[in-house]
Amino acid sequence: NAGVTQTPKFQVLKTGQSMTLQCAQDMNHNSMYWYRQDPGMGLRLIYYSASEGTTDKGEVPNGYNVSRLNKREFSLRLESAAPSQTSVYFCASSEARGNTEAFFGQGTRLTVV
Amino acid sequence: DQQVKQNSPSLSVQEGRISILNCDYTNSMFDYFLWYKKYPAEGPTFLISISSIKDKNEDGRFTVFLNKSAKHLSLHIVPSQPGDSAVYFCAATPYGANSKLTFGKGITLSVRP
Repeated sequence: NAGVTQTPKFQVLKTGQSMTLQCAQDMNHNSMYWYRQDPGMGLRLIYYSASEGTTDKGEVPNGYNVSRLNKREFSLRLESAAPSQTSVYFCASSEARGNTEAFFGQGTRLTVV
Repeated sequence: DQQVKQNSPSLSVQEGRISILNCDYTNSMFDYFLWYKKYPAEGPTFLISISSIKDKNEDGRFTVFLNKSAKHLSLHIVPSQPGDSAVYFCAATPYGANSKLTFGKGITLSVRP
């Protein structure tokens, strides 16, 4: 049982390049999330998907797009990377029944130069 | 405006003693609170939670206390062990928000052998 799997684990991009961060969960969870963690800032929600077929903006959505491909997969796309998007990105999933804890992937460390 | 505040960035305690990690919140709509633990290069993992209808929840060495009138919660670890050294995030969510969590900035706990 892998839980939440993120790929890649590390990535270096040049300013203006695009890339997609992949996330998959095998816990049959309805809700999925993308967070970013910056030094001294804690985790901030970028986008979330309460259920398959729905996505909503979080606290810091600018510069990102998401796709809930199916119940298992939720991808995050950077269309034109900027140095301000250098961060560690975490995908998470949770059951949609009430307030249950979210399970996190191991993170993607992205550097934009 | 930071809705979940962990004002102390770090805490150092001796092995075997009590660790007390504090968290304050400003949003009156929050009614479910969680603590996550994070080791370097790993994703956060759920530690313990508490609903606003309770003032205490205990799980082994970990106890979370909630003071709703003061909008304050604390995590007690007794006894502290070197393996507890990690970053601890406080998180909160309103009821029915599908676990859309708002995180604090985190506290780095160091437990000295």
